[in-house]
Amino acid sequence: AQKVTQAQTEISVVEKEDVTLDCVYETRDTTYYLFWYKQPPSGELVFLIRRNSFDEQNEISGRYSWNFQKSTSSFNFTITASQVVDSAVYFCALGINNAGNMLTFGGGTRLMVKP
Amino acid sequence: DVKVTQSSRYLVKRTGEKVFLECVQDMDHENMFWYRQDPGLGLRLIYFSYDVKMKEKGDIPEGYSVSREKKERFSLILESASTNQTSMYLCASSLEDFYSGNTIYFGEGSWLTVV
Repeated sequence: AQKVTQAQTEISVVEKEDVTLDCVYETRDTTYYLFWYKQPPSGELVFLIRRNSFDEQNEISGRYSWNFQKSTSSFNFTITASQVVDSAVYFCALGINNAGNMLTFGGGTRLMVKP
Repeated sequence: DVKVTQSSRYLVKRTGEKVFLECVQDMDHENMFWYRQDPGLGLRLIYFSYDVKMKEKGDIPEGYSVSREKKERFSLILESASTNQTSMYLCASSLEDFYSGNTIYFGEGSWLTVV
């Protein structure tokens, strides 16, 4: 069975601070896929990134960066110079190829960026 | 852009009522999903479908049923609504597998209150 843990339920930072959201996963599958989604107050989940288990290269996209480490089963997400618009709930998720292709989600981290 | 549309954003229903939540996707996706979101629990899979008229139970199917008569439409049914089904419901869809670089796309969510 798959499991995703986001230990930080809520984080509060002041604008322009850097913040890292932690994600730890468990799976016995050797091929798997990791995702981050953002959920603003409107409710829709917005896809941010996907990473394959066979690709440990870290990724940077503007102020966002992701650190994937198979050795510690972690896929952490860092926002540099946070902005008020980054305030949202962020979900980490794990997927494996099987019938139906579903994702297992962590509990989410609510990020509040104060001006 | 992929569009997943949920018919109702906010619903208030009485205990014992039969409730239908409708979801339509416009990208010819094989897979469709219904998730339930509760604070601290993240998203939990209720049911999914990988083809027309096919359905599989997720992690929390009790009290729910689904219908997929057409590829683009996936309905969640609460046969007799109860107060513990008050929650946010998210519909999602995806292509067949993760391997090809696909991800899962979500609708805006339906907030259901059962009184």
